[in-house]
Amino acid sequence: AQSVTQPDIHITVSEGASLELRCNYSYGATPYLFWYVQSPGQGLQLLLKYFSGDTLVQGIKGFEAEFKRSQSSFNLRKPSVHWSDAAEYFCAVGPSNYQLIWGAGTKLIIKP
Amino acid sequence: DAGVIQSPRHEVTEMGQEVTLRCKPISGHNSLFWYRQTMMRGLELLIYFNNNVPIDDSGMPEDRFSAKMPNASFSTLKIQPSEPRDSAVYFCASSLIVGDTQYFGPGTRLTVL
Repeated sequence: AQSVTQPDIHITVSEGASLELRCNYSYGATPYLFWYVQSPGQGLQLLLKYFSGDTLVQGIKGFEAEFKRSQSSFNLRKPSVHWSDAAEYFCAVGPSNYQLIWGAGTKLIIKP
Repeated sequence: DAGVIQSPRHEVTEMGQEVTLRCKPISGHNSLFWYRQTMMRGLELLIYFNNNVPIDDSGMPEDRFSAKMPNASFSTLKIQPSEPRDSAVYFCASSLIVGDTQYFGPGTRLTVL
C-alpha cells in the first residue's frame, strides 16, 4: 500500500541548531516528493519539491531535502533554525502534483 | 498579488444546518483543489477541478458534500446537512496547471455543534 511516514510527531530544537525532519514513503515507482510548511492558523506553503534530476533539492527559507531511493526517504534539513521556523511540516508523495499522499506532519518547536 | 482567498475564516453552526464554504483561486490558475484537515485523518483531498470541471471527486466523503466551480474565479464547497464529524479545517488550493505547485488558502475552520 502507498503510504508516507513522518515518524516524529514533535521535534524540539534549540535556536541555531541544525534540523532534520524524516520522511519515509512506500510507493511503487519514484514519486513526486514535496515538503510543505504550515504556520499556526495559516495554509500550507511549499518549501521544496523533487521530480527528477539532482537528488539534493534546495528550497525556500534555507531548507534542503535529499531524495534517497535506496532508503525510500526524503528528509528535510536546515543547518541553523530560527524561531520563525516553528511550524508544522508535511511531507507528501504522489504520481502527480495533485494525487498526493500526505504524511501526518511533524510539529517543530524551537527552544530559545 | 492576492493569494487564494477563502471565506469565511471561521464558521460555527449547528448540526443539520447547511454550510457553504467559498474560495477564490489565484487569477489565471486553472486547477483548484479542496482539502479537509483533521487531527485524526490529517490532510485529505476532497475534490479537484481543472478548467472549472470536476476531475476527481473520489475524496468527497458522502452525498452530503457537494462542490461547484461556476467560473474560473470562484468555487464553493457545500455541506448539507452538516454533522459534528464534519468539524475540520477546509483548505482550498490552486495551481497554474496540473502538475504545478499548489498554493493554499488560509483555510476555513468549521465547527458543527
